[in-house]
Amino acid sequence: AQTVTQSQPEMSVQEAETVTLSCTYDTSENNYYLFWYKQPPSRQMILVIRQEAYKQQNATENRFSVNFQKAAKSFSLKISDSQLGDTAMYFCAFLRAGGTSYGKLTFGQGTILTVHP
Amino acid sequence: NAGVMQNPRHLVRRRGQEARLRCSPMKGHSHVYWYRQLPEEGLKFMVYLQKENIIDESGMPKERFSAEFPKEGPSILRIQQVVRGDSAAYFCASSPGAGPHYEQYFGPGTRLTVT
Repeated sequence: AQTVTQSQPEMSVQEAETVTLSCTYDTSENNYYLFWYKQPPSRQMILVIRQEAYKQQNATENRFSVNFQKAAKSFSLKISDSQLGDTAMYFCAFLRAGGTSYGKLTFGQGTILTVHP
Repeated sequence: NAGVMQNPRHLVRRRGQEARLRCSPMKGHSHVYWYRQLPEEGLKFMVYLQKENIIDESGMPKERFSAEFPKEGPSILRIQQVVRGDSAAYFCASSPGAGPHYEQYFGPGTRLTVT
């Protein structure tokens, strides 16, 4: 079974600054996907970024980028130029790429990020 | 293209009553996932369905919980004889296909409160 751990229950950052959210995972799989989801106060889950484990290049989406360290099983999210609208709960998630995984996501506990003006 | 719709958004039930949660996937999506989010926790997988079939229900409690996704109409998550511990947010997600290449689109969730 896979586990996903987010060790930072809460983080805060000043507007326009950079913040990094941590995520580690445990798996015996070699092929998998990792995701960061955002859950704002509206509770709507929004996909922020995804990373395929077989790709060494770190994924980026505008102000969001990841630092994927496969050997260390670490997958951190960096948010640059933080905006007030980034205030949300952020979840790291894992997905097996093969077998009977289908789309069964395994989520971490979440990190509440607050962006201060 | 409307997103994933869930209703009701809020549901209050007394202990022992039944709760029915509905999920209408995005147009063209025939794969539905249900997740449960307990307070202060991440989402936990419950069940994965394709039209008229339950594919994986490994995350669903063996008793009182059931799910369906009929040929016509929304997917339904049913909880019989609810207890306080069932209070949670229930999310469904849909995708156009199975597997990691297909993004899951989440609905806004149904918050169930059992009194």
